[in-house]
Amino acid sequence: QITLKESGPTLVKPTQTLTLTCTFSGFSLTTGRLAVGWIRQPPGKALEWLALIYWDDDKRYSPSLKSRLTITKDTSINQVVLTMTNMDPVDTATYYCTHGTTTWDYWGPGTLVTVSS
Amino acid sequence: DIQMTQSPSSVSASVGDRVTITCRASQGISSWLAWYQQKPGKAPNLLIYAASSLQSGVPSRFSGSGSGTDFTLTISSLQPEDFATYYCQQAASFPFTFGPGTKVDIK
Repeated sequence: QITLKESGPTLVKPTQTLTLTCTFSGFSLTTGRLAVGWIRQPPGKALEWLALIYWDDDKRYSPSLKSRLTITKDTSINQVVLTMTNMDPVDTATYYCTHGTTTWDYWGPGTLVTVSS
Repeated sequence: DIQMTQSPSSVSASVGDRVTITCRASQGISSWLAWYQQKPGKAPNLLIYAASSLQSGVPSRFSGSGSGTDFTLTISSLQPEDFATYYCQQAASFPFTFGPGTKVDIK
C-alpha cells in the first residue's frame, strides 16, 4: 500500500532554512504522470499548495513562495526533499507531503513546524 | 492565480440531513475540481475528483457535481463520522489552489 511520511525539524528560528523530507513507499516516482507534492496548513487555517515534482523531474512552485522553495527527488531511496529559505513565524504550519497527479489521493500524517526564536 | 471560494463557511446539521456545499472558481476550470474531507488533527482525505468521480472507498452518500466555475458537494444523509471540514481544490492550472473550507458541525 502507498504510504508517505514527513520528517524534519519541529522548531526553526526566523531566517533559518527549513529542510523537510518525504519518505514514501508503495509506488515509484519513475511512474509516468505521478507527482509528489507539498501542502501546508497554518494552525486553524486553510490548506495551501506549495510545490510538486513530477516523475520526469518537472517542478512547479507556488508563485508567492517560489523564490524561497526548492524541491528535489531521489528515486533510488524514494524520497522527496523540500527546502524553504528565510523562515518566518507566519510559516508556522503543518506540512504535508502528498501523492497524486493533479489531485492528492494519499497524504502523509503531516509534521508541525514552528518558527520561533 | 485561480481563486476558490466556498459557501457556507460553516453549517450546522443533524444526522440524516442532506448537506450541500458550494465551491466557485474565479475562472472556468472545466471539471478539474476535487473535494477533500479533513477531521481535526488528521490529514485531508480525497472524496471526489474530476468534479463528480467518487474516490475508491468513499461512501456513496457523497456526490459532486458542476463544471466551469460552479461546483457542489452533497452529502445525502449526514452520518456522525461526516462532521468535519471540507475543502475544494482546483487542478486546472498552477498554482493548484484550495478553497477556504466549510466546517460541518453538529446542530
